[in-house]
Amino acid sequence: QVQLVQSGAEVKQPGASVKVSCKASRYTLTDYFLHWVRQAPGQGLEWMGWINPNSGGTNYAQNFQGRVTMTRDTSISTAYMELSRLTSDDTAVYYCAREYQLASFDYWGQGTLVTVSS
Amino acid sequence: EIVLTQSPGTLSLSPGERATLSCRASQSVSSSYLTWYQQKPGQAPRLLIYGASSRATGIPDRFSGSGSGTDFTLTISRLEPEDFAVYYCQQYGSSRGSFGQGTKLEIK
Repeated sequence: QVQLVQSGAEVKQPGASVKVSCKASRYTLTDYFLHWVRQAPGQGLEWMGWINPNSGGTNYAQNFQGRVTMTRDTSISTAYMELSRLTSDDTAVYYCAREYQLASFDYWGQGTLVTVSS
Repeated sequence: EIVLTQSPGTLSLSPGERATLSCRASQSVSSSYLTWYQQKPGQAPRLLIYGASSRATGIPDRFSGSGSGTDFTLTISRLEPEDFAVYYCQQYGSSRGSFGQGTKLEIK
């Protein structure tokens, strides 16, 4: 069974950065695009962007341009999402998700709660 | 950016009833890149329907999707107790993705 396993919860101060990892298992990371989606407490889903793990190419949502960086390390089948200049509005669960057909997401990580608080 | 508007915000129905959820896009969604997900509390979303009408692997046939252009519908023919959850539509177009705000399906 395909799995995406994310790193653990983080607590950050405003202005700091956070880096969340997403390790793929039981499939080849470079075969599928990987997207990042976040969900603030009690709110809906927000698309952040994707990385092509094969080429390293990225595409970020306009709301996160200049603040988000998506990378990967193919040697350990892991993708990363780093978000900088954190504010309390960035408190959310962050998910990685594998792109399936027609830009749908068939497998999701378990989510990583990032709390931004002073 | 394409904005998706889901209606109703909350739908109260009983098991065995039919549920009809709507997702309207601010612009035409290209090539039916329209997807539906189910999310239960504390869980990641679950893929239900992709390409507007194709059921994902393992999804019961009581779930169906339809629509094109700017108007899409998710139908659950006969509600089972496990179907009560939040449902999101999602689109991808012009290299940008977006989700609707969700419809909460609750037990009446």
